Formats: sequence, C-alpha cells, structure tokens
Amino acid sequence: AQSVSQHNHHVILSEAASLELGCNYSYGGTVNLFWYVQYPGQHLQLLLKYFSGDPLVKGIKGFEAEFIKSKFSFNLRKPSVQWSDTAEYFCAVSLYGNNRLAFGKGNQVVVIP
Amino acid sequence: DTEVTQTPKHLVMGMTNKKSLKCEQHMGHRAMYWYKQKAKKPPELMFVYSYEKLSINESVPSRFSPECPNSSLLNLHLHALQPEDSALYLCASSQGGQGGQYFGPGTRLTVT
Repeated sequence: AQSVSQHNHHVILSEAASLELGCNYSYGGTVNLFWYVQYPGQHLQLLLKYFSGDPLVKGIKGFEAEFIKSKFSFNLRKPSVQWSDTAEYFCAVSLYGNNRLAFGKGNQVVVIP
Repeated sequence: DTEVTQTPKHLVMGMTNKKSLKCEQHMGHRAMYWYKQKAKKPPELMFVYSYEKLSINESVPSRFSPECPNSSLLNLHLHALQPEDSALYLCASSQGGQGGQYFGPGTRLTVT
C-alpha cells in the first residue's frame, strides 16, 4: 500500500541544535512533496514544497528539504532551531496531477530554551 | 491574499442539531477540500471539490454533507453527529491538483 513514513515521532532538542526529520514514501511514479508545520493552537502552514528541478528546496523560517529519488526520501532540515520552532511537522505526498494528499503521522518537535 | 478563512472558530452542538461550517478563499484556487483532524494526528481527507464538482468522497458518513455554492465557498453541513465526530475540521484550497494545499484555521467542533 502507498504510504508516507515519518520516524522519531517525538523530538526534543535545545535551542541552536540542528534538526533533521526524515520522510519516506512508497509511491511509484512522479510525486509532489510537501512539509507542513502546525504550531501549538494554530493551523497547518506550508513550509516548503517540491515539484521538480533542484532537489534541494528552501522554505520559510530557515527550513530546507532534500529530495533523494533513489531513497524515496524528502528529509527536512534546519541548521539551528529556535524555541519558536516547537511544533508538529507533517510530511505529505501527492501523485502528480492528483488532488489526494497523503500525510505522514507527524513529528512532534519540542525546542527547549 | 493567501488566506483561507473558516467560520465559526468553535462550535458545540448536540447530537440532534443541524449546523454548517463555512470556508472561503479568494486565491482563485479551483480545488477545495475538507479534512478532519484529531489531536496530535495528521489530517484525514473527507471531501475534494474540483471546479465546483465533488471529485472525492472518502466514504464519509452521510451525516456530513458538503456543498460548494461557488468557486470561493465551501460548506459542510452537519446533522445528527456523534460524540466521536468531535475534532478540528479543516478546509484547504489549491490551484488545481498539483499545487500545495493552503489550510484555514479550522473549526473546533464538539458534539455533546
């Protein structure tokens, strides 16, 4: 079955530490890839997206993600986190031209000041 | 304007009530979505409207009834809900089928 996997559901780290969240998908064919963030009590916001071209994508708030086609992965990174990065992070995948967006189970990230 | 708005923010309803959730976007997006989200879980797709036509219904119970009056508006009519339907209901929109989906703030629904 097609799926989106996110590991290490709970991540706790200190300010200024580096963050990397893994995302793997099992879809064949051309995919569109997304990372969403949901801050406490707020709505889902699109952090970044990949459709084609440069596999290293830069998003808002200093986040970036790298698409590695051979590994079916789209990992999210931030070199130095801040307390305000405490949030739930969701990876999502859709097949090219398809409206259906499949979400991973999410990573709950807590940044300690 | 890159915003999806939803009303009301909070809704408490009894199991015999009829209520409606509303969603609006002015980004010219042609696809609109309803999702249900439980705490600490990813959103679950309920319905997709593409060019004002229902294109996906994820086997949602008939007590949830979507409506798309025009390309900017999306409603979700609720009737005879169950307590387990309590959740955050999110609306989203996208430019066609490929663009990233932009989410509204949601309606926090409690069924008593």
